[in-house]
Amino acid sequence: DTGVSQNPRHKITKRGQNVTFRCDPISEHNRLYWYRQTLGQGPEFLTYFQNEAQLEKSRLLSDRFSAERPKGSFSTLEIQRTEQGDSAMYLCASSLDGFTEAFFGQGTRLTVV
Amino acid sequence: SQQGEEDPQALSIQEGENATMNCSYKTSINNLQWYRQNSGRGLVHLILIRSNEREKHSGRLRVTLDTSKKSSSLLITASRAADTASYFCASWSGAQKLVFGQGTRLTINP
Repeated sequence: DTGVSQNPRHKITKRGQNVTFRCDPISEHNRLYWYRQTLGQGPEFLTYFQNEAQLEKSRLLSDRFSAERPKGSFSTLEIQRTEQGDSAMYLCASSLDGFTEAFFGQGTRLTVV
Repeated sequence: SQQGEEDPQALSIQEGENATMNCSYKTSINNLQWYRQNSGRGLVHLILIRSNEREKHSGRLRVTLDTSKKSSSLLITASRAADTASYFCASWSGAQKLVFGQGTRLTINP
């Protein structure tokens, strides 16, 4: 499968715990994006990488959120001290650049209890 | 901030009918993309239309783009139950990130 892959697909965690999600983009894509989506809403941009460089972070991304893309390949999104408001679908996407098609993974659904 | 806004927010039609969804955006674009999302799943890329194109087809999908009105439409012909999903338009903001609207929830009734 050469599409965008996200793991895990579902995560249930207790409030206050840390969680980490992984995204494997399409191999030749330089760009990798993280989005968050809540029920009934469109995806909201969180951050993106050009190769290994994190070029933009949304104001939605509080200090509890951190993302990395070591060596410009896969990426991880970590949420520390989770809160119930963090419950959402976290989507990863990749593209060649900022002008072409962006392809999404299946998402990781986070539930904070 | 939203770049695209879809209209209507929800649409319910009978199987076999055509479904039309509209998208308006605010700033100039290089291209506009449409996505489908089934409940609880990721986004599936449907079609990309460039700013110098007025119409594009893919199977039962027809997308139009009017840059003078900053609007686009997605037409699904001969709808099927499997077309039931949310549909989003998105455009690149400053060639840095895709910005999405709220989506249109399409329901196809058998």
